[in-house]
Amino acid sequence: DAGVTQSPTHLIKTRGQHVTLRCSPISGHKSVSWYQQVLGQGPQFIFQYYEKEERGRGNFPDRFSARQFPNYSSELNVNALLLGDSALYLCASSLEGGELNTEAFFGQGTRLTVV
Amino acid sequence: TQLLEQSPQFLSIQEGENLTVYCNSSSVFSSLQWYRQEPGEGPVLLVTVVTGGEVKKLKRLTFQFGDARKDSSLHITAAQPGDTGLYLCAGMWRAGNMLTFGGGTRLMVKP
Repeated sequence: DAGVTQSPTHLIKTRGQHVTLRCSPISGHKSVSWYQQVLGQGPQFIFQYYEKEERGRGNFPDRFSARQFPNYSSELNVNALLLGDSALYLCASSLEGGELNTEAFFGQGTRLTVV
Repeated sequence: TQLLEQSPQFLSIQEGENLTVYCNSSSVFSSLQWYRQEPGEGPVLLVTVVTGGEVKKLKRLTFQFGDARKDSSLHITAAQPGDTGLYLCAGMWRAGNMLTFGGGTRLMVKP
């Protein structure tokens, strides 16, 4: 079975531009979460989606948005990019979104560099 | 705000040595997960601990969840160069599966 797949793997954008990152969860998993990992730090939670509905949002500005599609894949959008948005963006897939202690499996991430 | 503090931040040891990584919080977590991450890759799940006082073993790795479910430790016996990487603890504190990560422990095992 394929794991969590993210695209693209690397991306370079200019300040002020917009970016869309994509994630396909493990087959059968209905929940997708997004995390931002700045170099040298642990990942920080951005969004969780379950059954196409937003279930949680971290402390990120409104420039960050996401959605989940009927096939459970997801997109993360970031508008008006800032240099500080440069990071590894991780997508995590879980079987369920409303249960305690559901294990999360991560994709390889998208490395975004804003110049 | 639920915070997880990991210590030490960096650890450089010789092959064959033992080590322990700590993960502490003032909050009670419903579960805690340990991940290992290679450069440029996503975190890979090692173990999930759920019950206070729980101990799980994965070959040379021993994971423990504190009795009060506020802290956890990872002990590696006879470390090998292949153990090199970033070790992350992540707590889940309410329904849903949003994870709060620690800052990570970067381990280097020299041959």
